[in-house]
Amino acid sequence: DAGITQSPRHKVTETGTPVTLRCHQTENHRYMYWYRQDPGHGLRLIHYSYGVKDTDKGEVSDGYSVSRSKTEDFLLTLESATSSQTSVYFCAIRGTAEETQYFGPGTRLLVL
Amino acid sequence: QKEVEQDPGPLSVPEGAIVSLNCTYSNSAFQYFMWYRQYSRKGPELLMYTYSSGNKEDGRFTAQVDKSSKYISLFIRDSQPSDSATYLCAVSRSGGGADGLTFGKGTHLIIQP
Repeated sequence: DAGITQSPRHKVTETGTPVTLRCHQTENHRYMYWYRQDPGHGLRLIHYSYGVKDTDKGEVSDGYSVSRSKTEDFLLTLESATSSQTSVYFCAIRGTAEETQYFGPGTRLLVL
Repeated sequence: QKEVEQDPGPLSVPEGAIVSLNCTYSNSAFQYFMWYRQYSRKGPELLMYTYSSGNKEDGRFTAQVDKSSKYISLFIRDSQPSDSATYLCAVSRSGGGADGLTFGKGTHLIIQP
């Protein structure tokens, strides 16, 4: 499982509230990613990080912010959650041996 | 036009059959190609990774890339009920998808016992 954990695994929240999702890795990988997965859209990149305090936007970054103050943790924040942000969120790391990405177990978020 | 096109299925085949899953992509800048398997309510699991045209084999799985036609395939031999899952193709411009992977929508595969 590439040593990736995500928390919480499930969350229900209300429109307008802030939400923070956490991705934690134990193998000191430099690159980390946040994707969302929705029916009819597949997996889409939200933000990624290429080092501590180094982040960049992906395809669907509007309404999301990220932070990475430690190598092992990559946080995704929804400043004011909307119903369109109801989704399954996956964290990924860039492996070294295979030079591809490995995914965490996901967080299911429901915004009411 | 979406950058990666993949038929969502479902694709239903009998146990033991050869399965062919396919994707097309539009941008020749994509140089790295991956297949992931995703079981229901789980994270995607890497199956195959390649960066060149041609075939790559791993057990019952063969990945095929044709860069000239921008076409990628995954073949599963001797399919098993445990192969029932959603299969996602992914492409990237850089090794390891440093600036992110671009995915197809996934094909839902059902292997009938």
